Amino acid sequence: SSELTQDPAVSVALGQTVRITCQGDSLRSYYASWYQQKPGQAPILVIYDKNNRPSGIPDRFSGSISGNTASLTITGAQAEDEADYYCSSRDTSGNLRVFGTGTKVTVL
Amino acid sequence: EVQLVESGGVVVQPGGSLRLSCAASGFTFDDYTMHWVRQAPGKGLEWVSLILWDGSDTYSADSVKGRFTISRDNSKNSLYLQMNSLRTEDTALYYCAKDIDPYSSSSNFDYWGQGTLVTVSS
Repeated sequence: SSELTQDPAVSVALGQTVRITCQGDSLRSYYASWYQQKPGQAPILVIYDKNNRPSGIPDRFSGSISGNTASLTITGAQAEDEADYYCSSRDTSGNLRVFGTGTKVTVL
Repeated sequence: EVQLVESGGVVVQPGGSLRLSCAASGFTFDDYTMHWVRQAPGKGLEWVSLILWDGSDTYSADSVKGRFTISRDNSKNSLYLQMNSLRTEDTALYYCAKDIDPYSSSSNFDYWGQGTLVTVSS
């Protein structure tokens, strides 16, 4: 299977915690990475190899994985975190790459 | 500073061909796997193709296999996507993206260009 499924939308109150999930068979074998995309902008890598943050990404972003589900958690969400979030990984063959369906995060 | 600049996007008729380019700077281009990712208007991200740092291997999504060919010229720090037999569903913003670690191939893309728009329409 080469599908990664995400909830279409979630909302979070300012300063609260939100978790975004990504489900797929390939996640039993391969790590997920996570991307943030704001309107009109290119995606930005926020988490890779399960729970590594690139330089410049705030530590309120964290990742985890359990079975076939990867999660991105934003602890203490800020207004600037409002964006679309996509997971990514390999497909079950390991050769191809695949993106999740995307989750729109609204900060209330 | 790492920079990726895509070019070549235009309006093309169904069945037509197009070559996209991505000019890279600010890093040792021939050490890194490179990818093309696309995004149809108002839709999500779709991975298209990858090429290893030395061009020795390539992989493409089923949706473009046999129609699109990824290549690179390390002497020119450039990545290409040759697109043939274009369909209306290929209409998208096409990004090039850099793999995060040298001499490896992952789903971790640490730098992206701003994209070039391909519109397939009669």
